Amino acid sequence: KAGVTQTPRYLIKTRGQQVTLSCSPISGHRSVSWYQQTPGQGLQFLFEYFSETQRNKGNFPGRFSGRQFSNSRSEMNVSTLELGDSALYLCASSFLDTSYEQYFGPGTRLTVT
Amino acid sequence: EDQVTQSPEALRLQEGESSSLNCSYTVSGLRGLFWYRQDPGKGPEFLFTLYSAGEEKEKERLKATLTKKESFLHITAPKPEDSATYLCAVPAGTGANSKLTFGKGITLSVRP
Repeated sequence: KAGVTQTPRYLIKTRGQQVTLSCSPISGHRSVSWYQQTPGQGLQFLFEYFSETQRNKGNFPGRFSGRQFSNSRSEMNVSTLELGDSALYLCASSFLDTSYEQYFGPGTRLTVT
Repeated sequence: EDQVTQSPEALRLQEGESSSLNCSYTVSGLRGLFWYRQDPGKGPEFLFTLYSAGEEKEKERLKATLTKKESFLHITAPKPEDSATYLCAVPAGTGANSKLTFGKGITLSVRP
């Protein structure tokens, strides 16, 4: 069974631009969570989607948004990029919204210059 | 406030030198403790889930144990390929606000 895939793997953007990241969960998994990972803060929860509905949101500004499609694929968007948004963005999927056994993708490395 | 603390931040071992990694947690009503391994430039890889004090799980050279306040990841006779960052996480918050909260991780280096 194929794992979680994320595209693109690497991105370089300029401050003020916006970016969209994509995640395809494991087949059959309906819950998708997004995390931001930085050396200083570690893994921080962004949001979770289940059946196209956002179930939970972390403490990030409104510039960070996401959505989930009917096939469970998910996208996250960051508008008006700041230097501090440079990070590894990870997507994780699980079978149920009540399952914390999550399977991660390889991540998208975003660099903001 | 729900918290997860891992120690030490980094650990360097000689090949074959067994040791333990610690994960302390403060959470109301534990709903599982999760261990992940993360290699540089990759996403975390799921290792174990523990649900109750006294529970143990093993995988190759790794054994995870759980008490009411902490979990240990014991590494027996490690090899260089065990070098990675090990993360632990617990579900924190209640209801719709519940989310997986991670520790900062322990970076393990095993020298041949």
